[in-house]
Amino acid sequence: DAKTTQPPSMDCAEGRAANLPCNHSTISGNEYVYWYRQIHSQGPQYIIHGLKNNETNEMASLIITEDRKSSTLILPHATLRDTAVYYCIVRVGGRNYGGSQGNLIFGKGTKLSVKP
Amino acid sequence: EADIYQTPRYLVIGTGKKITLECSQTMGHDKMYWYQQDPGMELHLIHYSYGVNSTEKGDLSSESTVSRIRTEHFPLTLESARPSHTSQYLCASSGLFFPGSYEQYFGPGTRLTVT
Repeated sequence: DAKTTQPPSMDCAEGRAANLPCNHSTISGNEYVYWYRQIHSQGPQYIIHGLKNNETNEMASLIITEDRKSSTLILPHATLRDTAVYYCIVRVGGRNYGGSQGNLIFGKGTKLSVKP
Repeated sequence: EADIYQTPRYLVIGTGKKITLECSQTMGHDKMYWYQQDPGMELHLIHYSYGVNSTEKGDLSSESTVSRIRTEHFPLTLESARPSHTSQYLCASSGLFFPGSYEQYFGPGTRLTVT
């Protein structure tokens, strides 16, 4: 799996958009970008994933650059409850079997602090 | 809301005791995982399973063992607990094939302290 690079920490004002960057310059053509978050040592929570196109769901938007070497997770209106560690993970998508390819590798992530 | 359960949530136990951490899911997922996470540190995969009678070691070596006799159940056992086993243990599950393979559902975790 390709490695990812994220800033160790970020601050965001409550109500403002939080933009979390991730670099994955060695990503392969069949690898997806996933985002998870972990709130205060709870189990991580899936947020969103994408391959090439920008994606949006009820939680966030994912913007992937055209060369797919980086991406940005956007929380449009951050709240205090969004304070968490956010993980950007790259892995082969569409299959979850056959060795360790389908497993997630969690790095250090970005600790996002949303402040009032 | 994910239907994956872990018991106990907290456990304090003495050195040398045998312990089993329970994990159950009601989503019919074939793949299940165990992660270990020390406070403020990264999650590390220690075991995973593709289905009944399948178990594999993860990226981080662990003295624990796992079994998968039923699809919904994936217990983790430490034969002789030691203070170095003090950590949080997180269980997760996911489907094997698209589209269920994209998302892992995590349990609330078991915080283990070995004295």
